[in-house]
Amino acid sequence: DSGVTQTPKHLITATGQRVTLRCSPRSGDLSVYWYQQSLDQGLQFLIQYYNGEERAKGNILERFSAQQFPDLHSELNLSSLELGDSALYFCASSPQSGGPQETQYFGPGTRLLVL
Amino acid sequence: AQTVTQSQPEMSVQEAETVTLSCTYDTSENNYYLFWYKQPPSRQMILVIRQEAYKQQNATENRFSVNFQKAAKSFSLKISDSQLGDTAMYFCAFFRGSNYKLTFGKGTLLTVNP
Repeated sequence: DSGVTQTPKHLITATGQRVTLRCSPRSGDLSVYWYQQSLDQGLQFLIQYYNGEERAKGNILERFSAQQFPDLHSELNLSSLELGDSALYFCASSPQSGGPQETQYFGPGTRLLVL
Repeated sequence: AQTVTQSQPEMSVQEAETVTLSCTYDTSENNYYLFWYKQPPSRQMILVIRQEAYKQQNATENRFSVNFQKAAKSFSLKISDSQLGDTAMYFCAFFRGSNYKLTFGKGTLLTVNP
């Protein structure tokens, strides 16, 4: 158990809908990262937040947005969902602002299925 | 753009034997970091080992070691005394400090047979 929690574990929804994925980092960790793992794209970095501010951006679609709240939990919002958005979404956390010297601890993931 | 290539989609090894997973990467950077992550059937992503590009010495973590060849842009993972619990998908990843982004390879599915 990494200490990172994600809810829900599974989510089934329809195309065109909007969903929110939630992540609670390990106690004391200030950075939260979101990743998408799909069969065709593999594991891709989406976005990082550090202490409430956006820190780095990866291959995140404009239909997707994220935020980190004062209590450091984070939410990833996915809107206008398409079939291709079906994937496993991971949240990870690290102690400070990020960087290779910091281990990223991954949560168990949220499996999203868009029908 | 950085790319990470894992040329072996699947591998298998007998318990207690040694196996090597390959990874190559492409970058014009000089300062970067390389990682191997393990994803067992539980889907949890677990850091196995980390290598700093400016360090000549190969990283080692218990039964896991790497062979880092900077000039060849190669970063292989050796697992010694393989155990059933090593069965997992293994991802090679590249980190460039200037953009705080981890780039992953497609993964190698390793099966350890009893």
